[in-house]
Amino acid sequence: EMQLVESGGGLIQPGGSLRLSCAASGFTVSSSYMSWVRQAPGKGLEWLSVIYSDGTTFYADSVKGRFTISRDTSNNKIYLQMNTLRAEDTAVYSCARGETFQYPPGEAFGIWGQGTLVTVSS
Amino acid sequence: DIQMTQSPSSLSASLGDTITITCRASQSISGYLNWYQQRPGEAPTLLIFSSSGLRDGVPSRFSGSGSGTDFTLTISSLHPEDFATYYCQQSYNTRWTFGQGTKVEIK
Repeated sequence: EMQLVESGGGLIQPGGSLRLSCAASGFTVSSSYMSWVRQAPGKGLEWLSVIYSDGTTFYADSVKGRFTISRDTSNNKIYLQMNTLRAEDTAVYSCARGETFQYPPGEAFGIWGQGTLVTVSS
Repeated sequence: DIQMTQSPSSLSASLGDTITITCRASQSISGYLNWYQQRPGEAPTLLIFSSSGLRDGVPSRFSGSGSGTDFTLTISSLHPEDFATYYCQQSYNTRWTFGQGTKVEIK
């Protein structure tokens, strides 16, 4: 069974840094494209970042330059390094595995973790 | 970035009803539109990929259609477990974006 489990969330002061982890099982992160998505309390979903199997990364404008996605193939994990955190970064952060479909063609997030809560507050 | 707008933001319906949720993109995204369901306290789950593809294991009462900028998710004969929030998401370019969500409540 494919599964994702996030960890590393918590309470952090504005301006601080935090690294989130996402442990994958049932598949290898290096053969998939993986994303981070967040959901502020009572709000909708916001895509943040993706890392492709070739290591290419992309970011949403809201986190570009502050957040960095990476992966550790030996541990089958992906990470989100978050710097210069702001109150508006408070959210549940989830990782998701991308899937590529042939018919009809397209991409979507097929597997999601439960998420880890990050609270940015003094 | 491509903006995704869902309507309505919420709706009330009864068991057995058929409902339709719409999603509009700020530019053409061809058929690269996905639909997710999120129940309270749970992670989102993929229902429909690429506008009309039914994810394995998803009941056939869920269907999607559309192309270009306008898309719909239809749920026929609402079941108790269908009361949830639904999100559309474009996968046309790498900067994926979601709609704001549509909450389906019991009338």
